Amino acid sequence: SQTIHQWPATLVQPVGSPLSLECTVEGTSNPNLYWYRQAAGRGLQLLFYSVGIGQISSEVPQNLSASRPQDRQFILSSKKLLLSDSGFYLCAWWSGGNSPLHFGNGTRLTVT
Amino acid sequence: GESVGLHLPTLSVQEGDNSIINCAYSNSASDYFIWYKQESGKGPQFIIDIRSNMDKRQGQRVTVLLNKTVKHLSLQIAATQPGDSAVYFCAERTPLVFGKGTRLSVIA
Repeated sequence: SQTIHQWPATLVQPVGSPLSLECTVEGTSNPNLYWYRQAAGRGLQLLFYSVGIGQISSEVPQNLSASRPQDRQFILSSKKLLLSDSGFYLCAWWSGGNSPLHFGNGTRLTVT
Repeated sequence: GESVGLHLPTLSVQEGDNSIINCAYSNSASDYFIWYKQESGKGPQFIIDIRSNMDKRQGQRVTVLLNKTVKHLSLQIAATQPGDSAVYFCAERTPLVFGKGTRLSVIA
């Protein structure tokens, strides 16, 4: 069966520090991969998605970047965090067609 | 895409009663819809889906109804339990479009 792993679960970082959040998927090949951010009490905001290795599409211009160095690995990064980058970051994968998106358990990022 | 600027609507239900959570969509060409449940501190979890060639689909204690005429989707939870307390999202076919979510609180 397919599984998705995100880490770390929680992270507290000072303003100006770098960020690297990792997501890996097991049990499927060539999935579409997604990074979402969720502010407290709000809906899901799509940040990046990838349809293949090295292919990244950005939905919202911001202080973050994404990379997909391997088929089942998706990384969210920042060179210098801002206070506004605080939030709940979710990674998800999709096999395409009429099937649901599958989410990881998220990373709670607090920038201080 | 959906705006994320508004706070979530809420629904409070007595334990044992039925819950109905509603969702409106805008794209009349959408052919597949999904409901997710998100508990506090966790990622959204798939509950049930429905294709546009259906009006109704039932799962365990949950039923999804689709009204394509008015572009409306609903999730019905029978005999609501405290463990059903969560935020519920609807989503259209593309994984890029999510509803804002509804927070369901179950009163014991």
